[in-house]
Amino acid sequence: GAVVSQHPSRVICKSGTSVKIECRSLDFQATTMFWYRQFPKQSLMLMATSNEGSKATYEQGVEKDKFLINHASLTLSTLTVTSAHPEDSSFYICSARAVAGTENTEAFFGQGTRLTVV
Amino acid sequence: KQEVTQIPAALSVPEGENLVLNCSFTDSAIYNLQWFRQDPGKGLTSLLLIQSSQREQTSGRLNASLDKSSGRSTLYIAASQPGDSATYLCAVRSQAGTALIFGKGTTLSVSS
Repeated sequence: GAVVSQHPSRVICKSGTSVKIECRSLDFQATTMFWYRQFPKQSLMLMATSNEGSKATYEQGVEKDKFLINHASLTLSTLTVTSAHPEDSSFYICSARAVAGTENTEAFFGQGTRLTVV
Repeated sequence: KQEVTQIPAALSVPEGENLVLNCSFTDSAIYNLQWFRQDPGKGLTSLLLIQSSQREQTSGRLNASLDKSSGRSTLYIAASQPGDSATYLCAVRSQAGTALIFGKGTTLSVSS
């Protein structure tokens, strides 16, 4: 199956700082990438949908100015958590979808990033 | 709005037992359904993908069924092993190209 690489896998940062998480599709071009967040013992909740070359679409309740998403190329999307606070501590995971014409492909997920804000 | 529910939330079985995990979704107009495995603190491993036109998919000891009209899917695990211990997530995609909507998962523990 296709490979999605997410980096870093773990990060600890101080409250008030910003953290950037990268999501790369290694062997295919991803027109769309999805960003999810998972709190302990909860399911994955969609945060935003990112399309290459355009602004991300955020789900209700997700602050677009706090969670900055950039999808500048067909193989890379980044999520920046700005001015992080302890309540932002969570597991963040990305998912990539291949270019149009492969609609029936599975959803490919990165390994996830465990963010801890202290 | 699509909602996905998984029952039970947790399940403990002895090794060798066959078991069924349940998933239900509120909007039957789905594009496809996918089952994942998640180990503690890890990402997702895709297990089975069922398109809306399909009734079931099999991979090794795993069999997933889909009844779109009733909004249900089941994941059958045969001859369970301790290595099967993990959280199993069910997710549906309502339309092509849209994000998956996840259930909260069933945490399975298989004892030796």
